[in-house]
Amino acid sequence: GQQLNQSPQSMFIQEGEDVSMNCTSSSIFNTWLWYKQEPGEGPVLLIALYKAGELTSNGRLTAQFGITRKDSFLNISASIPSDVGIYFCAGPAGTYKYIFGTGTRLKVLA
Amino acid sequence: DTEVTQTPKHLVMGMTNKKSLKCEQHMGHRAMYWYKQKAKKPPELMFVYSYEKLSINESVPSRFSPECPNSSLLNLHLHALQPEDSALYLCASSQSGGLVYNEQFFGPGTRLTVL
Repeated sequence: GQQLNQSPQSMFIQEGEDVSMNCTSSSIFNTWLWYKQEPGEGPVLLIALYKAGELTSNGRLTAQFGITRKDSFLNISASIPSDVGIYFCAGPAGTYKYIFGTGTRLKVLA
Repeated sequence: DTEVTQTPKHLVMGMTNKKSLKCEQHMGHRAMYWYKQKAKKPPELMFVYSYEKLSINESVPSRFSPECPNSSLLNLHLHALQPEDSALYLCASSQSGGLVYNEQFFGPGTRLTVL
């Protein structure tokens, strides 16, 4: 079945550093969603991408829809302590169905 | 307003108890979802309601019983749960269920502990 693999699995970075993570699929997607989840809370939608090659920003976050339609990338610039959390990518896997990536756990050292 | 609300925030129940989780959205979304999430894992889809009809049941045990009383509300009735059912239960909604333009919004979740 479809799988979404995210890398890295986890990362420790210094405050102020830029962060890059990616999500790859075994099949083509027409939508990519990026979420952030903090402990004990629900995922919060950060960015939605709809078109191959699309680059979309939300504050310090920038996400790209890969041109092969099998991958997507999320960058965080100048990280701050509140960026801590798990970042999930997700995509539609059929009518009403979404699959989620394995997650990238981000820890920021002040 | 992109808010999905869930109650209660925390729930502890015994294996013989009956309880319900509630979810509400006022975004006019016509698709609503229940997910189960274990620690350090991605959310796993349980049920989907579209236009108040059950569209997907991901082979969930019958001790979980969903209900959609109207387009804004979604319930999950729990009965005779097992300790392994302890998890974060997430509700979500989206405008529709097609393959395009489906931004899905999540509630804060209910942390369920089964003793």
